[in-house]
Amino acid sequence: GQSLEQPSEVTAVEGAIVQINCTYQTSGFYGLSWYQQHDGGAPTFLSYNALDGLEETGRFSSFLSRSDSYGYLLLQELQMKDSASYFCALNDYKLSFGAGTTVTVRA
Amino acid sequence: GAGVSQTPSNKVTEKGKYVELRCDPISGHTALYWYRQSLGQGPEFLIYFQGTGAADDSGLPNDRFFAVRPEGSVSTLKIQRTERGDSAVYLCASSLTGGYQETQYFGPGTRLLVL
Repeated sequence: GQSLEQPSEVTAVEGAIVQINCTYQTSGFYGLSWYQQHDGGAPTFLSYNALDGLEETGRFSSFLSRSDSYGYLLLQELQMKDSASYFCALNDYKLSFGAGTTVTVRA
Repeated sequence: GAGVSQTPSNKVTEKGKYVELRCDPISGHTALYWYRQSLGQGPEFLIYFQGTGAADDSGLPNDRFFAVRPEGSVSTLKIQRTERGDSAVYLCASSLTGGYQETQYFGPGTRLLVL
């Protein structure tokens, strides 16, 4: 089976940097994905790591270390619209999600 | 309408009733997934279709849940004898071919409330 752990909540001010950590246990996977979900909305894809290392997509970056069973999502230059839930998920054609981290951005 | 659509957006039913939830995937996507999301949790996998066939239904909680995709596009998730514990948001996602590293595109979900 798959299990993922991430912090339940993070609060930060506009313009700050936030790092959401994700640790996982798995018998096998192809990569680690990150999704964003606003209240009442659909999960939307943010980033994917197939290999160890850093992937950068605009203000968002994601990192994976398979040897440490660990990844993180880095949100830079936080904006109010970034207030949402963020999920890490293990890819194995289907997705296995963590419980999510609620990010609250304050003015 | 380029995205995944789901109907109805909200469904309220009584315990013991039958419900059908519909998903229209992105045109041309052969892979379709159903997930269930309870309050404060991440989506939980239910079933995966490749074309018309269910390639993996290991996430269906019991035999009250059934899903079909008869023509390889629209899918319907069917729940018989609904229970209060079935209350959740049911999400549908699609991807181009179902490849392991493909992005899955989610619909807005159907919020099911069983009274």
